[in-house]
Amino acid sequence: ELKVEQNPLFLSMQEGKNYTIYCNYSTTSDRLYWYRQDPGKSLESLFVLLSNGAVKQEGRLMASLDTKARLSTLHITAAVHDLSATYFCAVVLNTSGTYKYIFGTGTRLKVLA
Amino acid sequence: EAQVTQNPRYLITVTGKKLTVTCSQNMNHEYMSWYRQDPGLGLRQIYYSMNVEVTDKGDVPEGYKVSRKEKRNFPLILESPSPNQTSLYFCASSLVFSYNEQFFGPGTRLTVL
Repeated sequence: ELKVEQNPLFLSMQEGKNYTIYCNYSTTSDRLYWYRQDPGKSLESLFVLLSNGAVKQEGRLMASLDTKARLSTLHITAAVHDLSATYFCAVVLNTSGTYKYIFGTGTRLKVLA
Repeated sequence: EAQVTQNPRYLITVTGKKLTVTCSQNMNHEYMSWYRQDPGLGLRQIYYSMNVEVTDKGDVPEGYKVSRKEKRNFPLILESPSPNQTSLYFCASSLVFSYNEQFFGPGTRLTVL
């Protein structure tokens, strides 16, 4: 059974600080996604990571993927209040040409001024 | 505008009264999926569809039905809702033969009394 674990589940940090969110998954997957959800809103895509060693950056967020360790990280640099949201990682279980998505439980980030 | 729409956005109903939540996308996506979001559990996939007339169970299919008669529509049917189906539901769509992210609808908040 494919499991996706994120930690921490809750993160309160000061503006200007750096921090990393971790996403571990239990079996092989050929892709990993990061999404953001603002309170009361839907999910929006942040990053798609497709290969071992992949690194993508957008503003103060940088995501990386280590498929051998089955680990992805979402690094926050110099946090600002606007980054307060819940962040989800998700992997795809590809079985005989069907695609089943498994999401982590999410990391709720609160950036304090 | 490319989008995934869901209706209704909010619904309060009573145990046992059949209901349907509609989902429609205008991006010609083959893949469509339903998720439920519950506090502390992240998003869990209910059903997904790889294309018209092709559907498959996700992790939590019990108590739900789906159909995919047209490419753009993927309704979620609760034939006899129960209180444990009170949740926030999201529909999502994506291309199949690519690694693109899923696009999510705005969500439907369902309360079953």
